[in-house]
Amino acid sequence: DAKTTQPTSMDCAEGRAANLPCNHSTISGNEYVYWYRQIHSQGPQYIIHGLKNNETNEMASLIITEDRKSSTLILPHATLRDTAVYYCIVRVVGTDKLIFGTGTRLQVFP
Amino acid sequence: EAQVTQNPRYLITVTGKKLTVTCSQNMNHEYMSWYRQDPGLGLRQIYYSMNVEVTDKGDVPEGYKVSRKEKRNFPLILESPSPNQTSLYFCASAKQTGLNTEAFFGQGTRLTVV
Repeated sequence: DAKTTQPTSMDCAEGRAANLPCNHSTISGNEYVYWYRQIHSQGPQYIIHGLKNNETNEMASLIITEDRKSSTLILPHATLRDTAVYYCIVRVVGTDKLIFGTGTRLQVFP
Repeated sequence: EAQVTQNPRYLITVTGKKLTVTCSQNMNHEYMSWYRQDPGLGLRQIYYSMNVEVTDKGDVPEGYKVSRKEKRNFPLILESPSPNQTSLYFCASAKQTGLNTEAFFGQGTRLTVV
């Protein structure tokens, strides 16, 4: 499974867009990019996933570069409740195993 | 409400005393899994199950057992707990193996073994 690299921590002002980067330079053609977040010590929460096209849902947008070696999760209007650890994960089609790294700790401040 | 329920949420036990952490999901999901989370190590998979009576080892299975007699339940069993099994445990479920569906996680069980 491909490894991912994320910054350890980021800050974002409330109401502004939070852009969380992720590098997955060894990603294979059949590996999807997933994003989860974990608020405090609660169970991880699914946010979004994609293969090669950009994706958007009610929570966030996912931008994947054309070479698929990196992606960015965008929270368009961050709120204090978005403070959490965000995990970027690549997952092989046909398996359900999620390999969590150490993630990015996003702090949203007033 | 669709959910994964773990019990207990908190547990303190002594070395060697067998314990079971229960996990139940109400979404008729085929796939279920257990993870443990430790500081600096992220979440690591312990065991998983792709369907009833089908279980397999994850990355850190030593010291744990699981069973999948019914689709909705996937208990985690520690036959002889040791202090290095002190951790935060999460159960997860997903609709079907191989589909690109999201995984749902329980709220966690914080286990302390003294």
